[in-house]
Amino acid sequence: EVQLVESGGGLVQPGGSLRLSCAASGFTFRAYWMSWVRQAPGKGLEWVANINQDGSEKYYVDSLRGRFTISRDNAKNSLDLQMNSLRAEDTAVYFCARYRAQGQNFDYWGQGTLVTVSS
Amino acid sequence: QSALTQPASVSGSPGQSITISCTGTSSDVGSYNLVSWYQQYPGKAPKLMIYEGSKRPSGVSYRFSGSRSGNTASLTISGLQAEDEADYYCCSYAGSSTWVFGGGTKLTVL
Repeated sequence: EVQLVESGGGLVQPGGSLRLSCAASGFTFRAYWMSWVRQAPGKGLEWVANINQDGSEKYYVDSLRGRFTISRDNAKNSLDLQMNSLRAEDTAVYFCARYRAQGQNFDYWGQGTLVTVSS
Repeated sequence: QSALTQPASVSGSPGQSITISCTGTSSDVGSYNLVSWYQQYPGKAPKLMIYEGSKRPSGVSYRFSGSRSGNTASLTISGLQAEDEADYYCCSYAGSSTWVFGGGTKLTVL
């Protein structure tokens, strides 16, 4: 069974940093692209970033490029999102998702971790 | 990378059919047959319902179908059931390895 479990969310002050992690199991992690998608309270989904199988290709939504960094550790079956210079508008539930290149879709999702940026 | 446009809400009675539209541009929906649809219950993770415009993953009911015409994709749910009441999001490939979601549609089963 595919499982994705996010961690690392919490309350952070504006301008601060936070690192999210996603532990993957139930599939061959190193064979898949992975993604982060976020959802602000009461709002829609927003794609954040994708990373390819070996971490050599990374793509970001334009509005976040430079502040967020996606990375992965295939030895640990783990996906990370380093978030810097956080703003109130970054407050959201952050979902880890498996990206299926064949079909171009996000086929499995974690339950999400809440990040709140507030003073 | 502007969000795709979806109606905020749609409703239907049990047994009826409803259609949710998803309007993009010639840079996303209109250029690629790579629209996917996700169902999300409150407080839960999204679930993939349709991919590549009209394909259903294993385990998804045949009552869910997708289509595309020009810059607009559509999700149709036939034989509405109470369990279909949820939020639905479309998503399209937008070129240069980027993706864009719609704003979401709340489906109410009357």
